[in-house]
Formats: sequence, C-alpha cells, structure tokens
Amino acid sequence: GEDVEQSLFLSVREGDSSVINCTYTDSSSTYLYWYKQEPGAGLQLLTYIFSNMDMKQDQRLTVLLNKKDKHLSLRIADTQTGDSAIYFCAEKPGSARQLTFGSGTQLTVLP
Amino acid sequence: GAVVSQHPSWVICKSGTSVKIECRSLDFQATTMFWYRQFPKQSLMLMATSNEGSKATYEQGVEKDKFLINHASLTLSTLTVTSAHPEDSSFYICSALGTVKNQPQHFGDGTRLSIL
Repeated sequence: GEDVEQSLFLSVREGDSSVINCTYTDSSSTYLYWYKQEPGAGLQLLTYIFSNMDMKQDQRLTVLLNKKDKHLSLRIADTQTGDSAIYFCAEKPGSARQLTFGSGTQLTVLP
Repeated sequence: GAVVSQHPSWVICKSGTSVKIECRSLDFQATTMFWYRQFPKQSLMLMATSNEGSKATYEQGVEKDKFLINHASLTLSTLTVTSAHPEDSSFYICSALGTVKNQPQHFGDGTRLSIL
C-alpha cells in the first residue's frame, strides 16, 4: 500500500539551512509535493516535482528526488523564523487524484 | 495563483446543531474537491472526495449520513456536519482540483469546529 514517512521534528538556527526528508513507497508516484502549514491555517503549496526530475530549485527552496531510493528532500536555505511551521510531504500515485500525506515535520527555527 | 476560500474559519456551537462549511474555488473551476479532517499534531485524514454533479465518495469509516457533502457547482462544495457532538470537534480542511491535467491541489484555510 501507499505510505509516506517523515521525521516529526527538526530544529535549526536562524540563517542555517534546513533539510526535511521524506520517504515513500509507491513507485507509481507521478508527482511529489511539499506543503507548509502554519498554526491554525490550511496547507500552502510550496513546491512540487515531477517524478522524472532529480532536482527543482525555487528561490530558497531546493527539492531533491532520488527515485531509486524513493527519497524526497526539501532544503530551505537561510532559514528564517517565519519558516517555522509544519511541512508535509505528499505523493500523487499513478492515475489517482487524491494525495497521500506524510505525518508532517515540525520545523522550529531558533534565534 | 489558484485560491481556495473556506468559510467559516471558526465555529463554536452546541451539541446537536448542524454546521455547514463552504469551500469555494475563486479563480478556477474545481471538478473535484476533497474534504479532510485533521486532529491536533496529526496529518490530514481524507474524509471524502467530491465530484461536481455526482455523489461524493467517502473513505472507509466516514459516516456519509453524518458528513453530508454537496458539490452542486464547479466552484462550490459544502460539508454539513449533522447533529454535531463534541467528538466531531476538529479542524476541517478542503482542497480543490481543477480541470488542468496534473494541476496540484490547492487548500482552503481550514475551519476550526468546536462543539460544546
């Protein structure tokens, strides 16, 4: 079955880089997503990557995909206090329209 | 970018009340909308998939008579929590998917439901 796993917590110092990791099991995944959720809010789409890509960069965000190992990572450069939030990894398997979400990683940025 | 509006953002009501939550796609047509429930410190749990003009598809364990979903137009889906009880208190989030192939899901800001 489908399963997406993330570590639950990550703490970094302001100005450092953050790397949030995600593993998934469904090899038919076509798209993989990163969403950000701030307290009491919905999910904000940060970025996504098609399964035939290895890397995607968008300003401070870099997504790396290792399809062989089914491993996805999100790197946030120059992490700021406003980046403190929960980050969800999600996959879109095959022809399915719904997403499968990971448990979310709580990122805490320390001053 | 694509915008999804969810209303109300917070509801507090007495046990036994029915509560309606609206999810609107503001700048695109949403053929499919999803309704999720999120418990504190947990991930999103898909409740149902709503397709415009047809009956919603509910996930296993979700009571369709308890959580009524209507998707009467390409820009609006509603979730009604009927005869709500304290155990229905939760954060409910909708997302919408447009007609463009491989378009990502866009989420509303969620509704905090508190049943007293």
